[in-house]
Amino acid sequence: QVHLVESGGGLVKSGGSLTLTCAASGFTFSDFYMSWIRQVPGKGLEWLSYISGSGATGSIYYADSVKGRFTMSRDNAKNSLYLQINSLRVEDTAVYYCARGPDIVEESAANMDVWGQGTTVTVS
Amino acid sequence: DIQMTQSPSSLSASVGDTVTITCRASHSIGSYLNWYQQKPGRAPKLLIYAASTLQSGVPSRFSGSGSGADFTLTISGLQPEDFATYYCQQSYSTPLTFGGGTRVEIK
Repeated sequence: QVHLVESGGGLVKSGGSLTLTCAASGFTFSDFYMSWIRQVPGKGLEWLSYISGSGATGSIYYADSVKGRFTMSRDNAKNSLYLQINSLRVEDTAVYYCARGPDIVEESAANMDVWGQGTTVTVS
Repeated sequence: DIQMTQSPSSLSASVGDTVTITCRASHSIGSYLNWYQQKPGRAPKLLIYAASTLQSGVPSRFSGSGSGADFTLTISGLQPEDFATYYCQQSYSTPLTFGGGTRVEIK
């Protein structure tokens, strides 16, 4: 069945870097947009970035709050999605989720229909 | 950026009640509106997309309506497993944005 599994979280010192990975299975990975979303403990959901199925330059979008520090990429041959986070700040402490979608070109596909279980990043 | 405002932020209800949650966008977003349910310690789950289309496998007691800037999520006949936090989210334009959430608690 369709499955997303995040990894790479952990305890990191402020100013450090981390790369999160999302392993996809059960669907044709390259056919789908993918997103990263985070959630600070006890708070709401914050969309971070999304990438088209091809991952081509110009098809990656970021929230202003992370632009320049976060880099999203994908390797369709490995069915994997990545989020590189640089210059980590205490306020980056959160659970990071990957999700399938959205394809905002089509209204019926402009949603995030499959989510991973999340990986926790703690910045001290 | 499009701001999404949910109300109420929390509510208490009993099993069997009908519950309505509203979501207002700061600009018209057509029907690019999704609803998610999140239980403690779990990832969000898509309930409704394109404002009113029920995601496969979601019970029919959940329904969504609205277009433009005003949307509602209705749960008809609240079940014990429905006590959770609900989020609306717009996909009309980047940055994608979520509402602040509505926590549905047991009365």
